[in-house]
Amino acid sequence: GNSVTQMEGPVTLSEEAFLTINCTYTATGYPSLFWYVQYPGEGLQLLLKATKADDKGSNKGFEATYRKETTSFHLEKGSVQVSDSAVYFCALSSREGRRALTFGSGTRLQVQP
Amino acid sequence: DAGVIQSPRHEVTEMGQEVTLRCKPISGHNSLFWYRQTMMRGLELLIYFNNNVPIDDSGMPEDRFSAKMPNASFSTLKIQPSEPRDSAVYFCASSLGDRGLPYEQYFGPGTRLTVT
Repeated sequence: GNSVTQMEGPVTLSEEAFLTINCTYTATGYPSLFWYVQYPGEGLQLLLKATKADDKGSNKGFEATYRKETTSFHLEKGSVQVSDSAVYFCALSSREGRRALTFGSGTRLQVQP
Repeated sequence: DAGVIQSPRHEVTEMGQEVTLRCKPISGHNSLFWYRQTMMRGLELLIYFNNNVPIDDSGMPEDRFSAKMPNASFSTLKIQPSEPRDSAVYFCASSLGDRGLPYEQYFGPGTRLTVT
């Protein structure tokens, strides 16, 4: 079956530091990959997505590249801000069979001023 | 667009009571999902509908949980009777899900349920 593995949190960084949150997946076929962000007390918001190998999703300074050879979709940002503090979820969706998202366990990011 | 709308935002109830959570998906979306989020288990899919028909309910914990989607603009998740272990945040999400397209889902703000 499908699965997503994320690095354990929390990740604590100082403002303007470089961020990487690792995500690897197991899936049949060629899934679409997503990063969602959840701010305290809110629902999940789509941050970025990639639908095929070597695609790079980007939004708000965040980037992630769909690496089929390593089955990875790591999230990066060159310079984090305090306002980026949130929980980040990696997810995938298969094109065949079950259409729902399979989520990773989430990684909490804390950015200190 | 108003986004996915959920009600109530917070619900506190006593064990044994019936709880009904409501969701209005984004207009035009044909897939609707119910998720549960807890600290211990993270985000779990409970059930999803496509064109108002339940497609996968394998995540529904037990017979105490039921979900309906009587039309394209409304869905309910009911717990009867409720138990303290049902305490969680319940999210509804919708998407325009067709084969061959990425299934990007849009989430509502969630309902925080506390069963005492």
